[in-house]
Amino acid sequence: GENVEQHPSTLSVQEGDSAVIKCTYSDSASNYFPWYKQELGKRPQLIIDIRSNVGEKKDQRIAVTLNKTAKHFSLHITETQPEDSAVYFCAASKGGTSYGKLTFGQGTILTVHP
Amino acid sequence: DVKVTQSSRYLVKRTGEKVFLECVQDMDHENMFWYRQDPGLGLRLIYFSYDVKMKEKGDIPEGYSVSREKKERFSLILESASTNQTSMYLCASSGLTDTQYFGPGTRLTVL
Repeated sequence: GENVEQHPSTLSVQEGDSAVIKCTYSDSASNYFPWYKQELGKRPQLIIDIRSNVGEKKDQRIAVTLNKTAKHFSLHITETQPEDSAVYFCAASKGGTSYGKLTFGQGTILTVHP
Repeated sequence: DVKVTQSSRYLVKRTGEKVFLECVQDMDHENMFWYRQDPGLGLRLIYFSYDVKMKEKGDIPEGYSVSREKKERFSLILESASTNQTSMYLCASSGLTDTQYFGPGTRLTVL
């Protein structure tokens, strides 16, 4: 089955710096890669996703890049703010052929210091 | 707006008890999922269901079972709770877009 590895497990940055979280996946058939943010005591929520027919996607201060050849994808957060502090999870899926089943990475605890 | 609710936010049970965790979604989603969340291990899939009465094992199904008698409701059952099942349990649902919407979670403690 699919295996998703996520690094680093913790990341500490100063407000205004950039943060990068990286994930690798094992199944070359995976074609959908979402990122979820979980604030303390709250449920995970989708923040951005990318499908295998594109290499990069941006939404304001966050962007995701995908390298299908190397089987890795990354989350980039620019101009970090204290409210970006949360646990971030990457995931991979084969999309519609797998009933929406996601395999998650282990999570990254991001701390943004004011 | 998608709403996924779970029957309890906190639950304390004793070893050997049968435990029911319920999840309800209001968006007519076909797919529903149960995960457990433990620090450093991410979200691990226990079971999922893609239709009423249909279920598939996830990555860690041992010690759990599920029931989906109605499209909107997906139940997780711990037949005989053990201390190593103390965890946060998250339910999710998804439809045609693949986006999973999560419930608020149930923190289960087994004594």
